[in-house]
Amino acid sequence: KAGVTQTPRYLIKTRGQQVTLSCSPISGHRSVSWYQQTPGQGLQFLFEYFSETQRNKGNFPGRFSGRQFSNSRSEMNVSTLELGDSALYLCASSLTGDGYTFGSGTRLTVV
Amino acid sequence: AQKITQTQPGMFVQEKEAVTLDCTYDTSDQSYGLFWYKQPSSGEMIFLIYQGSYDEQNATEGRYSLNFQKARKSANLVISASQLGDSAMYFCAMRGGDTGRRALTFGSGTRLQVQP
Repeated sequence: KAGVTQTPRYLIKTRGQQVTLSCSPISGHRSVSWYQQTPGQGLQFLFEYFSETQRNKGNFPGRFSGRQFSNSRSEMNVSTLELGDSALYLCASSLTGDGYTFGSGTRLTVV
Repeated sequence: AQKITQTQPGMFVQEKEAVTLDCTYDTSDQSYGLFWYKQPSSGEMIFLIYQGSYDEQNATEGRYSLNFQKARKSANLVISASQLGDSAMYFCAMRGGDTGRRALTFGSGTRLQVQP
């Protein structure tokens, strides 16, 4: 079966712009969560969506937002990009909470 | 708050030997789950093994086993018969028991290099 699909794989944006990343979970998985990975801060939780509702939120500024659609696909948006937003953004989908399957990630570079 | 500690930034192991990657955790939850993920240079996080806090037996998945010592709050990953393809970053992670704490908390990772 298809895994977690994240698009695009790579992205270069200019400071001040906004960006939208997409994540399609494994079929049947209703939970989608997002993580940011940087060399300095490691892997940090951004937010989790379950059945179109944000269930958990990490400690990130309001510039980071997300949503989930009725087909469980999720998007995350970062507005007013800063250089420090350069990171690998990983999406994970889960059926039960005992297993999280990650996508290949979107590598965002802010210049 | 939940915390995962991985004290080995880097490890070397000879091909075909076994290696143990350390992980200690801290949580006030009675119910929690522990995970190990492998991240090759491509960036994808690959699930290796899961241990629930109420599981009495240590989890095993092929060449991977999890040495779970609940009283010591440790969840070490043991890789038997290392292969060159095992070279990667390895992350220990935990999720809490409550719906509100089901986000994964990750450790800082261990870079494993398998030498021929």
